[in-house]
Amino acid sequence: MQLVQSGEGLVQPGGSLRLSCAASGFTFSSFSMDWLRQVPGKGLEWVSRINRDGTATDYANSVKGRFTISRDNAKNTVSLQMNSLRAEDTAIYYCVRNDYGTIGSWGQGSLVSVSS
Amino acid sequence: DIVMTQSPLSLPVTLGQPASISCRSTQSLVHSNGNTYLNWFQQRPGQSPRRLIYKVSNRDSGVPDRFSGSGSGTDFTLKISRVEAEDVGIYFCMQGTHWLWTFGQGTKVEIK
Repeated sequence: MQLVQSGEGLVQPGGSLRLSCAASGFTFSSFSMDWLRQVPGKGLEWVSRINRDGTATDYANSVKGRFTISRDNAKNTVSLQMNSLRAEDTAIYYCVRNDYGTIGSWGQGSLVSVSS
Repeated sequence: DIVMTQSPLSLPVTLGQPASISCRSTQSLVHSNGNTYLNWFQQRPGQSPRRLIYKVSNRDSGVPDRFSGSGSGTDFTLKISRVEAEDVGIYFCMQGTHWLWTFGQGTKVEIK
């Protein structure tokens, strides 16, 4: 099983960026998917979750109203649209497979830097 | 939110010696279904994390048997029976029992 991320980059404060994650090697539609982030040298923070069919989403308070998670089960992809980015959103973002209470697979990580 | 507290945060170890990392949660991690979703991950420099242990004590396929997990309720431990050079990295616990996953701060294991 594999999760391959794309879309990293440097963005100005207030800007937008979209991260994508392509899944392979497992039945994508059978799993909820989550995004986590890690400030380099610091701990991990859960960011967002989407259920198996995309009908339910959850967000950390720190990103609610600014980030949107979505998925396309036909294309085996999950995305994170990040708007109104702030300096404190700077982190490595990981796409992960939610195996109910645990993480079954990790993407390679996408570095998002928010700076003017 | 459930707070996960690890100790120590830095762990210098002599090759071949044991190592132990503690992880404590602010609430019980026993799920209503009876399972305890406490996980341990290893993150080597420049890599994505890799799961070592799930549901407290279940070792993942391919994980050396020198790694073991134990504990219950709010108090958990990861042990390495004999540290090898490839074990250098950051280890962190994660609770998946409550809907908002939370993580320990990480413990940096290095060779003395």
